[in-house]
Amino acid sequence: DAGVIQSPRHEVTEMGQEVTLRCKPISGHDYLFWYRQTMMRGLELLIYFNNNVPIDDSGMPEDRFSAKMPNASFSTLKIQPSEPRDSAVYFCASSFRERQFFGPGTRLTVL
Amino acid sequence: GEDVEQSLFLSVREGDSSVINCTYTDSSSTYLYWYKQEPGAGLQLLTYIFSNMDMKQDQRLTVLLNKKDKHLSLRIADTQTGDSAIYFCAETKSNDYKLSFGAGTTVTVRA
Repeated sequence: DAGVIQSPRHEVTEMGQEVTLRCKPISGHDYLFWYRQTMMRGLELLIYFNNNVPIDDSGMPEDRFSAKMPNASFSTLKIQPSEPRDSAVYFCASSFRERQFFGPGTRLTVL
Repeated sequence: GEDVEQSLFLSVREGDSSVINCTYTDSSSTYLYWYKQEPGAGLQLLTYIFSNMDMKQDQRLTVLLNKKDKHLSLRIADTQTGDSAIYFCAETKSNDYKLSFGAGTTVTVRA
């Protein structure tokens, strides 16, 4: 099993640009989560899906952030336009019931 | 205030036991977890415990849960240099599988 796959691993962009982060969950998992990790705020849950349906997006910081899950094997997190304060490590995780597994993360730097 | 609280730092000598502590506030927590994060990596699920249990042992790891005091601990026996990392305590509520994390405890193993 390949585990949760995220791409890109690193992204450097300029303020105002659109950023798209991608995630492939573990096959057979029915929950998918997007988290953000920063030194100041720690690990924050942004949004999660169950069976491809968004369940709770209350952690999404602003309308600049959007997430989709068009099928069971793919999800995207988009930031448009990006700002320097969006710089963080973004993690995708998937689970079947209570065991949640994390991807390696995407380190985003917005200049 | 924070739902899950941990001390920030722990220093331990190689070969000794480490004990990392965590307190949580929600009595409806169903599962409690310990994750490990090494530098530049994602979170690795180490172990977890269902709230109706009070102890779980897995090789060098022992989890103790005191539900009355809402206190969770992780004991690592025979601590090795490879155990140096940040350890996160997390919980899920009774109605979903989204995780609430503590701030993490940085464990440093010294020779």
